[in-house]
Amino acid sequence: QKEVEQDPGPLSVPEGAIVSLNCTYSNSAFQYFMWYRQYSRKGPELLMYTYSSGNKEDGRFTAQVDKSSKYISLFIRDSQPSDSATYLCAITGRRALTFGSGTRLQVQP
Amino acid sequence: NAGVMQNPRHLVRRRGQEARLRCSPMKGHSHVYWYRQLPEEGLKFMVYLQKENIIDESGMPKERFSAEFPKEGPSILRIQQVVRGDSAAYFCASSPLRADMNTEAFFGQGTRLTVV
Repeated sequence: QKEVEQDPGPLSVPEGAIVSLNCTYSNSAFQYFMWYRQYSRKGPELLMYTYSSGNKEDGRFTAQVDKSSKYISLFIRDSQPSDSATYLCAITGRRALTFGSGTRLQVQP
Repeated sequence: NAGVMQNPRHLVRRRGQEARLRCSPMKGHSHVYWYRQLPEEGLKFMVYLQKENIIDESGMPKERFSAEFPKEGPSILRIQQVVRGDSAAYFCASSPLRADMNTEAFFGQGTRLTVV
């Protein structure tokens, strides 16, 4: 079993839709939960991170963590074509960051 | 404040040659991490270094791969006798914090290695 599981997609939505991206993890020792966005042939850029269970909001993005079920989510409201990218969840551990495999998102204009 | 700088951006090597990938961390960052990304896959941890120290190399292949972060100059990821399976994007990240508090790792743009 992988430490972090992420649905690879691809996910295609119309502009303005609400997008839900999800990951599950297996190790309850993980402390911080991050979401990165990666455009094609670019490096990952940090969108946001959370520590505790609950929601954290930043503009159109909301990160949600449920430690009891080891489930993390990223919601994107009013999605834009510029949001088209691969979204990677990442979790801190002893060996730096452990990444999910990424979900490719395409927002159609 | 320059970000994490990686060079070269693209590197082509023939099988059996050596590849040297460089990473200059952000100013003030003393922790460097190397990751490898295969096509359509997430990033896989390789090695975690501080200046003049390898902290964790549990993700590094046992042979042909080595990394260093000298007191002066960039961190280097070295791959000897490259094979086609080494073709991937190699990303470096730097952070001011240690791995278990690593909430602010900034990534470079990566080096895309192609072995022909």
